[in-house]
Amino acid sequence: DAKTTQPTSMDCAEGRAANLPCNHSTISGNEYVYWYRQIHSQGPQYIIHGLKNNETNEMASLIITEDRKSSTLILPHATLRDTAVYYCIVRVYSGGGADGLTFGKGTHLIIQP
Amino acid sequence: DVKVTQSSRYLVKRTGEKVFLECVQDMDHENMFWYRQDPGLGLRLIYFSYDVKMKEKGDIPEGYSVSREKKERFSLILESASTNQTSMYLCASLRREKNEQFFGPGTRLTVL
Repeated sequence: DAKTTQPTSMDCAEGRAANLPCNHSTISGNEYVYWYRQIHSQGPQYIIHGLKNNETNEMASLIITEDRKSSTLILPHATLRDTAVYYCIVRVYSGGGADGLTFGKGTHLIIQP
Repeated sequence: DVKVTQSSRYLVKRTGEKVFLECVQDMDHENMFWYRQDPGLGLRLIYFSYDVKMKEKGDIPEGYSVSREKKERFSLILESASTNQTSMYLCASLRREKNEQFFGPGTRLTVL
């Protein structure tokens, strides 16, 4: 799996959009970008994934640059409950899905009231 | 709502004890995983299973074994617990269509 680089921590005001960047300059053509988050004392939670088109679901939006070397996760209206560590992962969509996940250090997002 | 449950949130055991960590999922998923998570080391895969009675070693299987007798249940076994196995243990199952893993709440194991 390609390596990713994320800022260690970020702050965002409650109600504002939180934009979390991720660099993955060595991504290969068949690798997807996945985002998970982990709220303190809970297991990780899947947020969203994408290949090259922008994606949106009920939790977030994912913007992938045209060269696919970086992406941004957007939480449109951050709440205090969004305070968590956010992990950006690049991996092949194996379909069979047997592979485990590898998380780096992620970004600790702190939502300020 | 999808659910992965783990038998204990907190567990304290003594060195040399045999420890069983249980994980149950109600989503009829075939793939299940056991990880440990330690500060500064991130998430590391111990074992995974892609079907009943099937198991594969992950990145750090030493000192652990697993059992998958039923599709919904995946057990992690520490044959003889040691202090370096003090950690947060996370179980997950996989929804293949989206390659999305669902995690349990975790078991924080302390070995004294």
